[in-house]
Amino acid sequence: DAKTTQPPSMDCAEGRAANLPCNHSTISGNEYVYWYRQIHSQGPQYIIHGLKNNETNEMASLIITEDRKSSTLILPHATLRDTAVYYCIVRAMDSNYQLIWGAGTKLIIKP
Amino acid sequence: EAQVTQNPRYLITVTGKKLTVTCSQNMNHEYMSWYRQDPGLGLRQIYYSMNVEVTDKGDVPEGYKVSRKEKRNFPLILESPSPNQTSLYFCASSFGPIGTHAYEQYFGPGTRLTVT
Repeated sequence: DAKTTQPPSMDCAEGRAANLPCNHSTISGNEYVYWYRQIHSQGPQYIIHGLKNNETNEMASLIITEDRKSSTLILPHATLRDTAVYYCIVRAMDSNYQLIWGAGTKLIIKP
Repeated sequence: EAQVTQNPRYLITVTGKKLTVTCSQNMNHEYMSWYRQDPGLGLRQIYYSMNVEVTDKGDVPEGYKVSRKEKRNFPLILESPSPNQTSLYFCASSFGPIGTHAYEQYFGPGTRLTVT
């Protein structure tokens, strides 16, 4: 599985867009990019996933570069409740194994 | 409401005293798994189950047992707990293995276990 690199921490002002980067330069053609978040020791929560195209749902948008070596998760209007650790994970969709969790990015939303 | 429940949420026990952490999901998911989370180490998979009576080891299975007699339940058993099993434990479920359309895993609220 491809390794991901995320900044350990980021700040964002409440109401602004939070842009969380993730590098996955060794990603394979069949590997998807997943994003989860974990709010203060609660169970992780799925946010979004994608392969090549940009994706958007009610929670966030996922922008994947054309060479797929990096991606950005965008929370369009961050609130204090978005303060959490955000995990970027790559995994093949045809894998029977679980996601490999890294250290993630601690996102702090400031009032 | 779709959810994964775990019990107990908090447990303090002594070395060697057998314990069971229960996990139940109400979404008819085939796939269930257990993770432990330790500071600086992220989430690590302990065991997983692809369906009833089908279980397999994850990355850190030593000292743990599981069973899957019913689709909805996946208990985690520590036969002889030791202090190095002090951790935060999460149960998760999804429609299938992560390799199918089961990209979304649902996690329980966590069980904080302390073994003295």
